[in-house]
Amino acid sequence: EIVLTQSPGTLSLSPGERATLSCRASQSLLSNFLAWYQQKPGQAPRLLIYGASSRATGIPDRFSGSGSGTDFTLTISRLEPEDFALYYCQQYGSSLLTFGGGTKVEIK
Amino acid sequence: QVRLVQSGAEVKRPGASVKVSCKASGYTFTNHALHWVRQAPGQRLEWMGWINAGTGNTKYSQNLEGRVTITRDTYASTAYMELSSLRSEDTAVYFCAIAVAGLYSWFDPWGQGTLVTVSS
Repeated sequence: EIVLTQSPGTLSLSPGERATLSCRASQSLLSNFLAWYQQKPGQAPRLLIYGASSRATGIPDRFSGSGSGTDFTLTISRLEPEDFALYYCQQYGSSLLTFGGGTKVEIK
Repeated sequence: QVRLVQSGAEVKRPGASVKVSCKASGYTFTNHALHWVRQAPGQRLEWMGWINAGTGNTKYSQNLEGRVTITRDTYASTAYMELSSLRSEDTAVYFCAIAVAGLYSWFDPWGQGTLVTVSS
């Protein structure tokens, strides 16, 4: 099983600031098969990024993904009020799909 | 647009079974795999299994093997997830989601979620 470790657990920032979220895999991901999701309370996860760096349809360009191998990053260049939420990474490079434990981005 | 609509919340006794439905619309149902993911309170998302909506082939998480069954009705464009021998640890929100590119893929979109509560 590929274990995904997200850090930090909580990120306290103000609107307009830059957020940098990390996702580390326990082994190298095949072809950078990593996605990022945003989840708000009482809602389903929403796809932000797939293939480590490709933005999903309709996702603002303030969201960007980067990384390869075992280390991946989601960056929100300037936080908008609607961006304060939980963020999860997911790997789909193995037949046992796994998710990270999440990073909560909260208002400072 | 592509949409997944799940059945409503359920309350079950320990040892019982639950069956959650996921109705798809806006695309050709048999062209994509559907996955099930659950989220227990305060826990990370846990992948449960998938069904190839075209062939009916399935694969399940080893953690749930023997207790989970995923089926589909192509005429109704609906997938089902049945979990048996329920225990309190199965209390969670259950999501279905479309695998966009192949069997193992990112998920988009997701259903709205179904809360299953297991309590005596």
